[in-house]
Amino acid sequence: DADVTQTPRNRITKTGKRIMLECSQTKGHDRMYWYRQDPGLGLRLIYYSFDVKDINKGEISDGYSVSRQAQAKFSLSLESAIPNQTALYFCATSDFKGLAGMDNEQFFGPGTRLTVL
Amino acid sequence: QQPVQSPQAVILREGEDAVINCSSSKALYSVHWYRQKHGEAPVFLMILLKGGEQKGHEKISASFNEKKQQSSLYLTASQLSYSGTYFCGTVGSQGNLIFGKGTKLSVKP
Repeated sequence: DADVTQTPRNRITKTGKRIMLECSQTKGHDRMYWYRQDPGLGLRLIYYSFDVKDINKGEISDGYSVSRQAQAKFSLSLESAIPNQTALYFCATSDFKGLAGMDNEQFFGPGTRLTVL
Repeated sequence: QQPVQSPQAVILREGEDAVINCSSSKALYSVHWYRQKHGEAPVFLMILLKGGEQKGHEKISASFNEKKQQSSLYLTASQLSYSGTYFCGTVGSQGNLIFGKGTKLSVKP
């Protein structure tokens, strides 16, 4: 089945370490997203990419960077992890078919639970 | 601008109905609804487009009133499987989706 996968699923790291979270998709979608989820705050957008050459900052991009290596791969990096980056991270994809300014349903990966000590 | 959801949480007995509201301070062209079960990823339920269109998924339906800049999700005759957190999402100025903080729904036997 076409799918969205994330690696690793769980990660514990220490303050100051660099860490990369990876996302791959076999859906053939152009659009990919990274979200962070904290209890009571919903899903907050970190970065998004509408195609391989297009990278955009989301609501909470400070402390994060991304790389879109191919249509199917979108990686999120924490250059120097800090404890308040402990959260659940989701990657998502979508396929734009609608009118300008609208988006289609997003398909989420299973999530990466990151703990920064 | 993040849409506002209400209530933040609701507890139901099986068979009861519930309404979850989503409102925005800016003009809306579409509203998305997602459900996230505990420990899982969010799953798409439906998109409501400009025009007051209603849609349904199982016994879950929704309405969209662009004049009031709000959408409502209706859960009818709730089942245990409806438990989870419901998120609405609105499209931002650059075409990205902005999610509300979520409404936690608990259905008890």
